[in-house]
Amino acid sequence: QMQLQESGPGLVKPSETLSLTCTVSGDSISSSSYFWVWIRQPPGEGLEYIGSIFYIGSAFYNPSLKSRVSLSIDTSKNQFSLKLTSVTAADTAVYYCARQGSGYFQQWGLGTLITVSS
Amino acid sequence: EIELTQSPGTLSLSPGERATLSCRASQSVSRSHLAWYQQKPGQAPRLLIYDASNRATGIADRFSGSGSGTDFTLTISRLEPEDFAVYYCQQYSKSPETFGPGTKVEIK
Repeated sequence: QMQLQESGPGLVKPSETLSLTCTVSGDSISSSSYFWVWIRQPPGEGLEYIGSIFYIGSAFYNPSLKSRVSLSIDTSKNQFSLKLTSVTAADTAVYYCARQGSGYFQQWGLGTLITVSS
Repeated sequence: EIELTQSPGTLSLSPGERATLSCRASQSVSRSHLAWYQQKPGQAPRLLIYDASNRATGIADRFSGSGSGTDFTLTISRLEPEDFAVYYCQQYSKSPETFGPGTKVEIK
């Protein structure tokens, strides 16, 4: 059974860059059937799509975050990553990685809470 | 982008009752590209329904989805204790993918 696991620092200082990695097990990230995505959820709030990446490296971003977001993929490690620059307290959230097939999000990681604070 | 609104914000019901949740889109969702997710406290969302009416693998048949265009519905025919949670709709008709604000189904 495929699983996704987010890893990251937990705490990031304002104005710095948030970096997260998602490790996929039980499935190949090189599959042409899926996109690999990041979604976030501020505490007590709803869900926000951040962006998607395909195994060949093509990426799509939510326009609301596009100027600060970068996704990358490492097929040799079966991992994909998120970088979010110039973070503020508004970027405090649980960050989820997920597998996207045909537009909907089929499988999710457990999520990791990222707090932006000095 | 397509904005989704969900109603009601909170639904207070008893186990065994029927739950009807609504999701309305600001513009037509083509090819019924709408999904529903369930989220329990401290957990990741779980896919319930995709393409408006198709149950995801392993989802109980008491969950059903319907609708097209701008109006969609998730129905839980008889609430089980484990169904009390927050439910989100999501459209994937037009980029960026967007979610509704959620409906909380709570025990009355």
